[in-house]
Amino acid sequence: GAVVSQHPSWVICKSGTSVKIECRSLDFQATTMFWYRQFPKQSLMLMATSNEGSKATYEQGVEKDKFLINHASLTLSTLTVTSAHPEDSSFYICSALLAGKGYEQYFGPGTRLTVT
Amino acid sequence: GENVEQHPSTLSVQEGDSAVIKCTYSDSASNYFPWYKQELGKGPQLIIDIRSNVGEKKDQRIAVTLNKTAKHFSLHITETQPEDSAVYFCAASFVGDMRFGAGTRLTVKP
Repeated sequence: GAVVSQHPSWVICKSGTSVKIECRSLDFQATTMFWYRQFPKQSLMLMATSNEGSKATYEQGVEKDKFLINHASLTLSTLTVTSAHPEDSSFYICSALLAGKGYEQYFGPGTRLTVT
Repeated sequence: GENVEQHPSTLSVQEGDSAVIKCTYSDSASNYFPWYKQELGKGPQLIIDIRSNVGEKKDQRIAVTLNKTAKHFSLHITETQPEDSAVYFCAASFVGDMRFGAGTRLTVKP
């Protein structure tokens, strides 16, 4: 139980284009999902908190117009990187909060984004 | 906000030995402390967690201890195996707002 999937697992795009990453909770409902960014050999940095049916809450320094988050259902959140640049290349990981079991977060497998 | 410090950054042990990773946190309101294992190119996997009303928790070869007064918690892995080699992250959370330590790269030598 508590499986989270991400799609795609890796993507290569050209500068200036937009990329959408999907995060799904497969066997549970998640009112809250989180998006993290991880650079090589570094820790996970929280980008934003996504609540179903409401606007995402972004961490300080994260551009909300560049990283668009939509949490339209209890099992799906999407992150769209708009007008991507090479510095946006990173490992993006989502997690879902397992409601009713304290505050356990279950992570997806991550999406490797490379912007050329 | 919460600040989590993790030590050591790298740890190398011989197969069969024990490994200990320590973390400290700053926000006394934090009440949930998970540990994650991350293998290369994969997402973090929850391996054990502890809540603020418990001092110690054990699951087979893995144990976690929490000292709320001192605001530190530790991960203990006994009888290490090569497949335990990975990066381990501690985290501290309050109401779902989770902050991670910098990670420890554990290498278990056969």
